[in-house]
Amino acid sequence: SQQGEEDPQALSIQEGENATMNCSYKTSINNLQWYRQNSGRGLVHLILIRSNEREKHSGRLRVTLDTSKKSSSLLITASRAADTASYFCATDAGESNYQLIWGAGTKLIIKP
Amino acid sequence: DTGVSQDPRHKITKRGQNVTFRCDPISEHNRLYWYRQTLGQGPEFLTYFQNEAQLEKSRLLSDRFSAERPKGSFSTLEIQRTEQGDSAMYLCASSLRGLVSDEQYFGPGTRLTVT
Repeated sequence: SQQGEEDPQALSIQEGENATMNCSYKTSINNLQWYRQNSGRGLVHLILIRSNEREKHSGRLRVTLDTSKKSSSLLITASRAADTASYFCATDAGESNYQLIWGAGTKLIIKP
Repeated sequence: DTGVSQDPRHKITKRGQNVTFRCDPISEHNRLYWYRQTLGQGPEFLTYFQNEAQLEKSRLLSDRFSAERPKGSFSTLEIQRTEQGDSAMYLCASSLRGLVSDEQYFGPGTRLTVT
């Protein structure tokens, strides 16, 4: 079964706008990761946030983590057409095993 | 290109046939993972190697599936007696050893179609 659940399932915005997508998970974790997948480049790691961190930035990406609510959000600022992709959150099971558990993803479309 | 490579990229086979996929990880990575992904879903964990040892295997993985990583380098995933439900994208990823789960680098995948 999948641990992470992304919300919304699909998001369509104009180029230049900000995009926010959310992820909820069920069990305690060591860290949470966000990945992007498009047909051109496959699955690419974006950012990793550890359970003792609350916010992390990488370029136009901002990730937050709320372990009390078991949720995370990914914000992409000043979106570009190249950001069109599916975005997945992935978590470990929190017990020093290395299996990543994935949600079904948010499909993001950036309209020019 | 020093990324993760997978071969073949596409495989069409008839139900009941055996298929084998290969994954070549990033050379200095000692961890290797296999996932399966169907349309509209996230990747589903299949199995994990640290060096040549297979340390985790999904409970959902049928005994028709077997994976090896001889000498801790490339890995193969074999599916015996394929079924139509095996049609999916098979992804391989590798990573460097860390204390906890770490970022994984994915290959382009092998798309399997079972007719």
